[in-house]
Amino acid sequence: AQKVTQAQTEISVVEKEDVTLDCVYETRDTTYYLFWYKQPPSGELVFLIRRNSFDEQNEISGRYSWNFQKSTSSFNFTITASQVVDSAVYFCALSEIGSSNTGKLIFGQGTTLQVKP
Amino acid sequence: DAGVTQSPTHLIKTRGQQVTLRCSPKSGHDTVSWYQQALGQGPQFIFQYYEEEERQRGNFPDRFSGHQFPNYSSELNVNALLLGDSALYLCASSLAGQSLYVEKLFFGSGTQLSVL
Repeated sequence: AQKVTQAQTEISVVEKEDVTLDCVYETRDTTYYLFWYKQPPSGELVFLIRRNSFDEQNEISGRYSWNFQKSTSSFNFTITASQVVDSAVYFCALSEIGSSNTGKLIFGQGTTLQVKP
Repeated sequence: DAGVTQSPTHLIKTRGQQVTLRCSPKSGHDTVSWYQQALGQGPQFIFQYYEEEERQRGNFPDRFSGHQFPNYSSELNVNALLLGDSALYLCASSLAGQSLYVEKLFFGSGTQLSVL
């Protein structure tokens, strides 16, 4: 069965600290996509990154970086030099690629990040 | 370019009533998915509509039904409301992609439903 686990419920850091959000997933499929979304207090889920199971190349985008390791089924997300505006709930999500390609996402429980000034 | 819009933003109903939530997808998108997000939880997939038909459904009872119109907008209907239906209902839109490729979803800000 598909499952996404975000073991960290809440993280609190002081501005300018680096912070890593953990994500572990389970799937029986060999082809799948992984996502990170950010949910600010407004409620809208904001897309951050998409990775497919064929691409284990890690990526850096500004202050964000992602570490995808198939061997450990992990897809961790790091914010460098955190800012108060990064405060939000962050969700990791998994989508298996089926013939219907419905893009159904399985979300983790979310990690609430609080960045204090 | 308008993103995904949902209405209403907030709604209060009583047990047993019926509710209809509405969603307009992002311009150019043809696929609409609905998610339920209970307080403190991650969103859960309800169903997805493409070409005016339900394409896939999550583990939700038949009390949850939907519709997609020719202009790609969508409605989520919930009958016989229960207290446990209180949640944020999120609509997401995407452009139907080719197989082996999952488009990223664009989400609206949701409808907060409270069932008393």
